[in-house]
Amino acid sequence: EADIYQTPRYLVIGTGKKITLECSQTMGHDKMYWYQQDPGMELHLIHYSYGVNSTEKGDLSSESTVSRIRTEHFPLTLESARPSHTSQYLCASALGLNEQFFGPGTRLTVL
Amino acid sequence: AQSVAQPEDQVNVAEGNPLTVKCTYSVSGNPYLFWYVQYPNRGLQFLLKYITGDNLVKGSYGFEAEFNKSQTSFHLKKPSALVSDSALYFCAVRDPSGTYKYIFGTGTRLKVLA
Repeated sequence: EADIYQTPRYLVIGTGKKITLECSQTMGHDKMYWYQQDPGMELHLIHYSYGVNSTEKGDLSSESTVSRIRTEHFPLTLESARPSHTSQYLCASALGLNEQFFGPGTRLTVL
Repeated sequence: AQSVAQPEDQVNVAEGNPLTVKCTYSVSGNPYLFWYVQYPNRGLQFLLKYITGDNLVKGSYGFEAEFNKSQTSFHLKKPSALVSDSALYFCAVRDPSGTYKYIFGTGTRLKVLA
């Protein structure tokens, strides 16, 4: 089991709320990623980071922000949640050009 | 543009039979290829990768994959399927353009029937 953690595992909130999804890894990986995945469907890259103080936008980044102040921590913030944000959010990390390790995911429901 | 294709949404196989899950890719340069498995309500788990060297790569849980450069394929195989292999499988390639992104296929659901 990979040492990458996501909290909360499940979250139900109302429309318009600001939320932060937490992701931490203890493997010292330099690269970190956020993906959105509807159940059983393909992954969509939201944001990624090369290292501390570096972040890049993916395909679905326009409604969220990330920060990478510490190597091990890569939180994702939705400024104003909408029902269309209802999905599973997966965090991943990688060392250099190697394979990604994925967290267990956060299942978000926006009412 | 870089891309990965998994042409089958679902593959059904009887327990004990060999299984193949197909993946083809289109990237410039030498590809770094990966297979992941996802069980229900879980994140993805790494199975195996091809970076360079032997075209037949062995990975976790008895899975293997064959890199075929001429056919730009990286099919996942297992000689004898188990019911517990039933899951969603993703092929991925590292974007060779230097962005450190990974390009994923759309996934193939494997169902192993007892």
